[in-house]
Amino acid sequence: AQKVTQAQTEISVVEKEDVTLDCVYETRDTTYYLFWYKQPPSGELVFLIRRNSFDEQNEISGRYSWNFQKSTSSFNFTITASQVVDSAVYFCALTSSNSGYALNFGKGTSLLVTP
Amino acid sequence: DSGVTQTPKHLITATGQRVTLRCSPRSGDLSVYWYQQSLDQGLQFLIHYYNGEERAKGNILERFSAQQFPDLHSELNLSSLELGDSALYFCASRESGLAGPHSYNEQFFGPGTRLTVL
Repeated sequence: AQKVTQAQTEISVVEKEDVTLDCVYETRDTTYYLFWYKQPPSGELVFLIRRNSFDEQNEISGRYSWNFQKSTSSFNFTITASQVVDSAVYFCALTSSNSGYALNFGKGTSLLVTP
Repeated sequence: DSGVTQTPKHLITATGQRVTLRCSPRSGDLSVYWYQQSLDQGLQFLIHYYNGEERAKGNILERFSAQQFPDLHSELNLSSLELGDSALYFCASRESGLAGPHSYNEQFFGPGTRLTVL
């Protein structure tokens, strides 16, 4: 069975601080896919990134960066110089063909960025 | 805009009632997934349909059922509603072409239906 753990329930930072959201996963599949989604107060799910299990390259997109480490089964997400608009709930998710590509989500981390 | 539509956007009903949530996938997508986001359970997978057939079930209650029609839209039926069924229900659609071992067909989420059971 697959499992995603986001140990941080809530994080509060002041604007311009860097913040890292942790994600640890469990799977027996050799090929799998990891995701981060953002859910702003309006409620929709916004796709941020997908990472394949066979590609451990870290990725940077503007102020966002992701650190994928298979050795520790982690896929952490860092926001640099946080902004108020980053306030949202962030979900890490995992899937594979064995799960029919249904997404297994972590419980989410609520990020509050204050001015 | 993901191309996935869900209706209604909001639904308020009473305990014991039955409701139907509707999802229209992106044009050509054969797969539809339903997810429930509640305060207690978080965001969890309910059921997956592919081209009209049920493919997988997650944590879906027996009071809930779904179907996918020949035009590929899907409906999630919730009956004997309880207060705890209040949640945001998402559907997502996915391409179903041959992805190959090192590629992945993305899943696109609709805006969700917020169900409130009073």
